[in-house]
This record gives sequence, structure tokens and C-alpha cells, in this order.
Amino acid sequence: KAGVTQTPRYLIKTRGQQVTLSCSPISGHRSVSWYQQTPGQGLQFLFEYFSETQRNKGNFPGRFSGRQFSNSRSEMNVSTLELGDSALYLCASSLGDRGHKDEQFFGPGTRLTVL
Amino acid sequence: KQEVTQIPAALSVPEGENLVLNCSFTDSAIYNLQWFRQDPGKGLTSLLLIQSSQREQTSGRLNASLDKSSGRSTLYIAASQPGDSATYLCAVKETSGSRLTFGEGTQLTVNP
Repeated sequence: KAGVTQTPRYLIKTRGQQVTLSCSPISGHRSVSWYQQTPGQGLQFLFEYFSETQRNKGNFPGRFSGRQFSNSRSEMNVSTLELGDSALYLCASSLGDRGHKDEQFFGPGTRLTVL
Repeated sequence: KQEVTQIPAALSVPEGENLVLNCSFTDSAIYNLQWFRQDPGKGLTSLLLIQSSQREQTSGRLNASLDKSSGRSTLYIAASQPGDSATYLCAVKETSGSRLTFGEGTQLTVNP
């Protein structure tokens, strides 16, 4: 069974640009969550999508947005990039049934560098 | 607001030693707790998941325990190997949703 895949693996952008990251969950998983990881803040939750609907949202500005398609693949978009957006962006997939057994599986991440 | 703390922040041990990593959380209303491993620059690998009703889970040389009432979990690694060197993260899933709240991690180095 294929794991969670993320593309691209690396990105370099300049301030003010926008970027779109993609995540393909494990087959059969309907929930996709996004996290930002930085040395200073650790892992922080961005948002979760389940069946094409945003189900949960973290404390990030509106420049961070996402969507999910009918095949459960998800994209995350960051507009008007700032230097502080440089981070490893991780997505996680799960069945999303909110149960006690709902295990999260992470992709390899996209390393975004903003110059 | 849930807060997760991991102690120690870093640990260096000789090969073969048994070791314990600690995780504490402030709100006991959790669905489950997961332990992950992260190698430098890589994604997270799930090691163990403990449901809120469970006391412990075992996988190979790893054993994780959960004491929900006291807000604590431990990850026990038996007979450590250099390949165990990585950052270990614990995360709790709260009943209010599917988000995970992570600790800062313990950076483990196992010396040959």
C-alpha cells in the first residue's frame, strides 16, 4: 500500500509570490491534515479536510488556504509569501472517523524556502 | 488549550542501553496519543498509537504507556541501537477534532 506522497519535495520562492503544495493520502483515507514545522515553533496544525470540507482550522492567517478534491487529494496554497513562511510543510492522512483508533500517517514533507 | 511537553530535550546514550522518553500533556480529554520518529529533514514515521482507554502498546523493542489521569506517557526503548538515533515526538489527538498537538520532541543519539 503506497504511503502519503507530497509534491514538490523542495521549493524556493521569493517574498510576495504564492505557492501551491500537493498531498496524496493513503488509498481509502478521507482525512488530510496539514502542519507547518519550523525550528522555533515546532509542529503546528494548519487545517484538516475531510470529504472535501474543511473540518478544523489552526491559528494561521488567511494567506494559508487549502482544498480537497473528490479523490481525497489535497492542496495547500500560501499567498503573498513572507520570509517567516520558510518551513517544512507536512501533510498527514487518516481514515478520519474521529475514533480512538484513528492513526495519522505523514508524508515526507515539502521544504519551502522563501528568499 | 492543550500543551504537550517532552523531557528530556536531548539524550545521548551508548549502544545497548535501555531508555525512557517522557511526554506530558495538560488536558486529559484525549482520544489517543501517538509516538512518532523523525529523521533529519524527513517526515514523521508513526511508531505506536495508544487509545485513551489503553494503558500500553508494544511494537518490537518499543513499549509505550499512557496514564491519562495524570497526563503522562512514556516511550521505552529496549537495547538501543545506533539506527534508533532520531527525534522522537509525541502527539495527542483531542476529542474536539482530528488535530494533533505535538511536543517539541526528544533528540536521541545512540553511540556505537
